[in-house]
Amino acid sequence: KNQVEQSPQSLIILEGKNCTLQCNYTVSPFSNLRWYKQDTGRGPVSLTIMTFSENTKSNGRYTATLDADTKQSSLHITASQLSDSASYICVVSDMEYGNKLVFGAGTILRVKS
Amino acid sequence: EAGVTQFPSHSVIEKGQTVTLRCDPISGHDNLYWYRRVMGKEIKFLLHFVKESKQDESGMPNNRFLAERTGGTYSTLKVQPAELEDSGVYFCASSQGWTSMNSPLHFGNGTRLTVT
Repeated sequence: KNQVEQSPQSLIILEGKNCTLQCNYTVSPFSNLRWYKQDTGRGPVSLTIMTFSENTKSNGRYTATLDADTKQSSLHITASQLSDSASYICVVSDMEYGNKLVFGAGTILRVKS
Repeated sequence: EAGVTQFPSHSVIEKGQTVTLRCDPISGHDNLYWYRRVMGKEIKFLLHFVKESKQDESGMPNNRFLAERTGGTYSTLKVQPAELEDSGVYFCASSQGWTSMNSPLHFGNGTRLTVT
């Protein structure tokens, strides 16, 4: 079982709508949690990086939240655009194993007009 | 600034052959990482260079994989001999600081390796 689980596996929304992606992790202790956006055929691009002491971090229309007590994070996308169609990956830095990054399998988001 | 570049973008080889992947990190980034995503699975860590030294190679699957970073600039990842299960997308990433220091990690677009 992966230490970083994401839900839903895939999601289809209409352009202009909001959505929230979930990430549950068991990695502990951790130093930071990251959200990446990966377009098809491209490498992941960083959206947000939060330390274990931060609760929220925004990057434009993307807002990530972190609850270290329940080991949950979410990525909220506001006013979605067609270009938001991509895979969104939650990544946790594992302090117990040299701060290696542990990746979730990603949520595939499709925004349609 | 130029991003992380990887070459080739695609490679199709037969089982038993050798393949060498190359990664050019962002100039000035001492930290270089290799990752791999096999079909349907999550991205997994392979190894971490700090300049020319291997800081952590605990993710390398076996001794058929050899990574080098001579001179602390570009890096190569050689698979010899390739097996079917080596198929996947190999990503290189670089950063100024370590991932423990909350440094942004910049990824290349990956090399898609297919072993037939």
